[in-house]
Amino acid sequence: DQQVKQNSPSLSVQEGRISILNCDYTNSMFDYFLWYKKYPAEGPTFLISISSIKDKNEDGRFTVFLNKSAKHLSLHIVPSQPGDSAVYFCAATLPQFYFGTGTSLTVIP
Amino acid sequence: DTGVSQDPRHKITKRGQNVTFRCDPISEHNRLYWYRQTLGQGPEFLTYFQNEAQLEKSRLLSDRFSAERPKGSFSTLEIQRTEQGDSAMYLCASSPPGDRKAEAFFGQGTRLTVV
Repeated sequence: DQQVKQNSPSLSVQEGRISILNCDYTNSMFDYFLWYKKYPAEGPTFLISISSIKDKNEDGRFTVFLNKSAKHLSLHIVPSQPGDSAVYFCAATLPQFYFGTGTSLTVIP
Repeated sequence: DTGVSQDPRHKITKRGQNVTFRCDPISEHNRLYWYRQTLGQGPEFLTYFQNEAQLEKSRLLSDRFSAERPKGSFSTLEIQRTEQGDSAMYLCASSPPGDRKAEAFFGQGTRLTVV
């Protein structure tokens, strides 16, 4: 029962361009949505969150968009940098967190 | 360092043995979560505490798993009679009260290998 889905296991982007990571969810009761970044052998690192009552939240190069009617969440990274290369997980809270399976982002110098 | 701390970082155990992991959350955080992650998957929810109360347990958490947070500070996760299928990364996270309650901060994890 995967309530949060990331359908793209990997994404490659040129340095300086925009990275767009997508996430879909099924449960309309989720109250917060978050993005985490993960390097191998480390725990996930919190990046940015958005409340279910908002449709956009921006923090520096990172912007999260929420489309509640489509039950869709996206993370935009502009401009992408090689240090952004990692696995990105989206998550939603009930309050316990449900995670997607991750998208591996590679930013090519 | 005021982040979430997990101990040990790695544990190798023989099948059938019991293991216990410890998590020290960020001091002002009242919620504490345990997750399990296997290769190629996102973290899977196991259980969470608000202060010392265990509010929810996943169906993934069989009778061999038990978690405690006796004084609302650190938490322990015990696995009894370990099985090879228990091999995974066990992650602990904590989150603060109030408006930032959704921002969970994760520890480095404990990598369990059951041989």
